[in-house]
Amino acid sequence: DTAVSQTPKYLVTQMGNDKSIKCEQNLGHDTMYWYKQDSKKFLKIMFSYNNKELIINETVPNRFSPKSPDKAHLNLHINSLELGDSAVYFCASSVRTDVGYTFGSGTRLTVV
Amino acid sequence: QKEVEQNSGPLSVPEGAIASLNCTYSDRGSQSFFWYRQYSGKSPELIMSIYSNGDKEDGRFTAQLNKASQYVSLLIRDSQPSDSATYLCAVTSGGGADGLTFGKGTHLIIQP
Repeated sequence: DTAVSQTPKYLVTQMGNDKSIKCEQNLGHDTMYWYKQDSKKFLKIMFSYNNKELIINETVPNRFSPKSPDKAHLNLHINSLELGDSAVYFCASSVRTDVGYTFGSGTRLTVV
Repeated sequence: QKEVEQNSGPLSVPEGAIASLNCTYSDRGSQSFFWYRQYSGKSPELIMSIYSNGDKEDGRFTAQLNKASQYVSLLIRDSQPSDSATYLCAVTSGGGADGLTFGKGTHLIIQP
């Protein structure tokens, strides 16, 4: 009965590969997000979706493409992976930003 | 560019004492303020939210907000070793699907 679940938890891949991370929430929230946490633990927003509609698209390389098939799911596809993409990627959801988020457990991506 | 500043620490506090964590933010339009706790290797967990000037208490935690000084703080009373974690300050200026802007976090160590 996990509220926000991400898969996979760990992802090790070679440079140049394409990979996807999946996120699902069962909280009935309308808004979902992707955040990147770098090696210095800095959390930075990448995308937000409200009811399947893209709301925020921060300055992220266009190799990153989010997809929301329905309001309970937000997936992240990454093309042509680079060493600098290594980080922990967190999915989150909320009723509204001003009441805070529930985070998923994170996906640790390592590009070698 | 919205910024949230925190002292990265580590902040070392003896068990049973009060831990005081501070945060400043640059966007005067910020309306909602949050403190998240993140244990090593885990996802951020919302522990406090505050929206108006003054103090808000929840158990051993007290959040303080001063919008004129653009300052938010978190006090942890009767600190326990289990409080050892990184504490992230986050702010947002809107509701809807606006993202949270996070600080880089303060690493708190409670010494038994």
